Amino acid sequence: NAGVTQTPKFRILKIGQSMTLQCAQDMNHNYMYWYRQDPGMGLKLIYYSVGAGITDKGEVPNGYNVSRSTTEDFPLRLELAAPSQTSVYFCASSFPRGGGPPDTQYFGPGTRLTVL
Amino acid sequence: GQQLNQSPQSMFIQEGEDVSMNCTSSSIFNTWLWYKQDPGEGPVLLIALYKAGELTSNGRLTAQFGITRKDSFLNISASIPSDVGIYFCAGQRRDDKIIFGKGTRLHILP
Repeated sequence: NAGVTQTPKFRILKIGQSMTLQCAQDMNHNYMYWYRQDPGMGLKLIYYSVGAGITDKGEVPNGYNVSRSTTEDFPLRLELAAPSQTSVYFCASSFPRGGGPPDTQYFGPGTRLTVL
Repeated sequence: GQQLNQSPQSMFIQEGEDVSMNCTSSSIFNTWLWYKQDPGEGPVLLIALYKAGELTSNGRLTAQFGITRKDSFLNISASIPSDVGIYFCAGQRRDDKIIFGKGTRLHILP
């Protein structure tokens, strides 16, 4: 298994540009998450999904959108990039309750985004 | 929103020393998690705790779920160079959302 993969690894955007951060997992996990990590800080949840077709807001959803059309993919969309969105973005997935340790989140390697 | 207070923010220790860090909150959590993050990588789960009072070990790592369900600690015994990194605590609420602490940066002096 490749686990959780994220692309791109690095990206520089201009203010107002849009982009999609890709996340895929091949572990058949129902739960998927997007976090952002600012320098010197912990992770903050942006959006999460408990299964295909279902998404919900996390702690800091403003300026982002997600979709979950398949179990494997959970892309994160930035429509109008702002400097405040400069961060490292991590995607994660986990087993559903009853399917294994419910809280074991597997993280991708991250996408470093800079908005200038 | 809910916050986890993780301390210390950073530690500078000699190789072979024991390490202790903790997380506290004003809120109750159902699960406590401890992660390690290496530079340029995503966090990796070290230990998960599911019951108040639970004490769990993973090699040289030991973590405990506080009796009040509002705190947890992580100990590392006999530190080695590969222990360097950022350690995060995280608490999982009843609605399954996970809140992360700001991390403890562990440095090992040569």
